[in-house]
Amino acid sequence: EADIYQTPRYLVIGTGKKITLECSQTMGHDKMYWYQQDPGMELHLIHYSYGVNSTEKGDLSSESTVSRIRTEHFPLTLESARPSHTSQYLCASSEWDNSYEQYFGPGTRLTVT
Amino acid sequence: LAKTTQPISMDSYEGQEVNITCSHNNIATNDYITWYQQFPSQGPRFIIQGYKTKVTNEVASLFIPADRKSSTLSLPRVSLSDTAVYYCLVGEERDTGFQKLVFGTGTRLLVSP
Repeated sequence: EADIYQTPRYLVIGTGKKITLECSQTMGHDKMYWYQQDPGMELHLIHYSYGVNSTEKGDLSSESTVSRIRTEHFPLTLESARPSHTSQYLCASSEWDNSYEQYFGPGTRLTVT
Repeated sequence: LAKTTQPISMDSYEGQEVNITCSHNNIATNDYITWYQQFPSQGPRFIIQGYKTKVTNEVASLFIPADRKSSTLSLPRVSLSDTAVYYCLVGEERDTGFQKLVFGTGTRLLVSP
């Protein structure tokens, strides 16, 4: 089993609050990803990272930001949450030479009221 | 970017073999074909990956014809626990070496007793 963790699993928060979704992996993977998925819909890549101090935006425009200060840690931050940010956020990681095999965390279901 | 087309849903019974076919007419020379499984409220799980011909692992087989314009995921003797959404993905290798995965809407497999 893959060792990739996300916290919190569920979060209900009011509009305007700043939130950080945590993602950690213990596999030493260089590549990490954030996806957004609405219920019953496909996953959309919003951020990815090649390694420490490397971050890129994905295909789906997102108001969130990410950082990669340590290999194992890839947090996602929303400075001011809005109801439109309500969704499931999934973190994943992969080995450097095979991004096709990604290991996903359990996800964070975010609800902004 | 190669687009994939797969059936929206499929029904089966326990013990049967299930074959899910995916079309990817515009697949590029460098693209790999990957399949993932997702249960409700969980992140996707990698099942199998292939480039051509046939690949088999402990859970599934992947058949890819010579023209690579389609692929078929074969699940032998399904059980109730195989009820999930199955995604066919075609990865795109970018100049930077990053392999991007694009998740479509997937195929919802329902296995009944």
